[in-house]
Amino acid sequence: GENVEQHPSTLSVQEGDSAVIKCTYSDSASNYFPWYKQELGKRPQLIIDIRSNVGEKKDQRIAVTLNKTAKHFSLHITETQPEDSAVYFCAASKANTGNQFYFGTGTSLTVIP
Amino acid sequence: NAGVTQTPKFQVLKTGQSMTLQCAQDMNHEYMSWYRQDPGMGLRLIHYSVGAGITDQGEVPNGYNVSRSTTEDFPLRLLSAAPSQTSVYFCASSYLMGRANTEAFFGQGTRLTVV
Repeated sequence: GENVEQHPSTLSVQEGDSAVIKCTYSDSASNYFPWYKQELGKRPQLIIDIRSNVGEKKDQRIAVTLNKTAKHFSLHITETQPEDSAVYFCAASKANTGNQFYFGTGTSLTVIP
Repeated sequence: NAGVTQTPKFQVLKTGQSMTLQCAQDMNHEYMSWYRQDPGMGLRLIHYSVGAGITDQGEVPNGYNVSRSTTEDFPLRLLSAAPSQTSVYFCASSYLMGRANTEAFFGQGTRLTVV
């Protein structure tokens, strides 16, 4: 099955700096890579996703890049704000498996005001 | 539109007791799933369903049962609770758009403690 590794497990940045979280996956057939944000005590919520036919996707201060050859994808948050503090999860899935996701172990991001 | 509704929010069980975690969605999603979340281990899939009457095992199915009699409901049953099942449980649902994967919507979570 798929194995998703996520780094770092914790990340602290100054407000206004950028944050980068990286994930690798093992199954070259995976073709959908969502990122979820989970605030303390809340449910995970999708913040951005990318499909394997795209190399990069942006949504305001958030961007995701995908390198299919190397089998890794990254989340980039620019101009970080205190409300970006949360746990971020990457995930991978592939067609023909329903919507079975394999999640990374999470990155706890703290933005210091 | 309530989305994904999960109950209860908190539960304490004694070892050996059984219980059912409820999950309902009102978005007409075909796909529903249960995850458990443990510190440092991310979200691990317990069971999932691609439609009414169809269920399958995920990564960590032992000790749990599911059924899907309707599109809306997907309850998770703990047969005989063990301390190792202490965790936060999330139900999630999504559309199955042909063979394309889509966003998963999560319930609010159930924090279960087995003593």
